[in-house]
Amino acid sequence: QVQLQESGPGLVKPSETLSLTCTVSGGSISSYYWTWIRQPPGKGLEWIGYIFHTGSTNYNPSLKSRVTISVDTSKNQFSLKLSSVTAADTAMYYCARNVVAAAIDYWGQGTLVTVSS
Amino acid sequence: NFMLTQPHSVSESPGKTVTISCTRNSGSIATNYVQWYQQRPGSAPTTVIYEDNQRPSGVPDRFSGSIDSSSNSVSLTISGLKTEDEADYYCQSYDSTIHWVFGGGTKLTVL
Repeated sequence: QVQLQESGPGLVKPSETLSLTCTVSGGSISSYYWTWIRQPPGKGLEWIGYIFHTGSTNYNPSLKSRVTISVDTSKNQFSLKLSSVTAADTAMYYCARNVVAAAIDYWGQGTLVTVSS
Repeated sequence: NFMLTQPHSVSESPGKTVTISCTRNSGSIATNYVQWYQQRPGSAPTTVIYEDNQRPSGVPDRFSGSIDSSSNSVSLTISGLKTEDEADYYCQSYDSTIHWVFGGGTKLTVL
């Protein structure tokens, strides 16, 4: 059974960079797409972007200038960096595996990131 | 880009059948597959339907997806409702550059 676990700081200061890592267990990171999605408190889901195991990426145009998603196949991990954060970036951040390029089969449990000074 | 519109909330009684719609405002709904995600209170989402009508392993066949090109919409139908089905449901699709779009979500109450 594939499992995904997000990790990273729960509190980030405004204007700094949010950094999260997703560790994949129970399966290889190779041969799949891997996605980041976020959900502000009390609101709906927002797609951030995805990466293929080869390193090719696709980002939400509204976040593209601030987002970097990378993959480390040796560690079976992929990561998210979001720069110049504001309070609007406060959200639960989920990592996920794509069953196909545009659909998820496995989700992480999520990690709450608060942007505050 | 396009938008996906869902009803804000629906409610139905246990044992009954409920349908949640997801309407695409521009472009054909049939152009790109639609997925459905269930999010129970306080939990991460899970996938209940992908590629319009495919169920991941472990999802009961009470959940089904369909497409209605005449109304440019897709629907998630849940039959034999159980209290455990009470959750938020999100539809999701993508455009020609595989940029994902989510619907606003529908709160299902089973009362």
